[in-house]
Amino acid sequence: DAGVIQSPRHEVTEMGQEVTLRCKPISGHNSLFWYRQTMMRGLELLIYFNNNVPIDDSGMPEDRFSAKMPNASFSTLKIQPSEPRDSAVYFCASSLSSSGGADTQYFGPGTRLTVL
Amino acid sequence: AQSVTQPDIHITVSEGASLELRCNYSYGATPYLFWYVQSPGQGLQLLLKYFSGDTLVQGIKGFEAEFKRSQSSFNLRKPSVHWSDAAEYFCAASSGGYQKVTFGTGTKLQVIP
Repeated sequence: DAGVIQSPRHEVTEMGQEVTLRCKPISGHNSLFWYRQTMMRGLELLIYFNNNVPIDDSGMPEDRFSAKMPNASFSTLKIQPSEPRDSAVYFCASSLSSSGGADTQYFGPGTRLTVL
Repeated sequence: AQSVTQPDIHITVSEGASLELRCNYSYGATPYLFWYVQSPGQGLQLLLKYFSGDTLVQGIKGFEAEFKRSQSSFNLRKPSVHWSDAAEYFCAASSGGYQKVTFGTGTKLQVIP
């Protein structure tokens, strides 16, 4: 299995631009998670999908952030407009069961976003 | 509020020495407990997890963790550290079901020759 796939691995953009991060979870996994990691705030859950439906989006910082999961094999996290404080590493993770809180999460390699 | 605390931000050990990384949790009931490792430039990888039963849990790469209910702790241990163990280690907890996983702030391990 290829594991969780994220693209791009690195993204450098200018403030105000739209950024789209992509994730392909492990085939057969029912839960998908988007995290943001920064030195200041550590690892934060942004949003959690189960069977393509958002279950908990309380971690989405503000309206500039949106996430979609149109099917079981693809998810996007979009930031529009981007700001320098959005610079971070964004991780996607997936887990097999519907009990996202109890199951092992498999993390992708992350997307390092730099907003100038 | 539910929380996971890793009191040590950075730990340095000599190769071959034993290791213990501390983790304390604050949850209403015993949560599901996890330890993940993150190597530089990589995503997190599960080392081990505890749900119930035997309080000493064995994981990959020679790691083990002990759940102590009385101390609300889930400390990670390894008897002999290898240089390749240098990484950042995250303790995590969840109430299970649809509840999200809460991660600690991480402990960065440095291994010196």
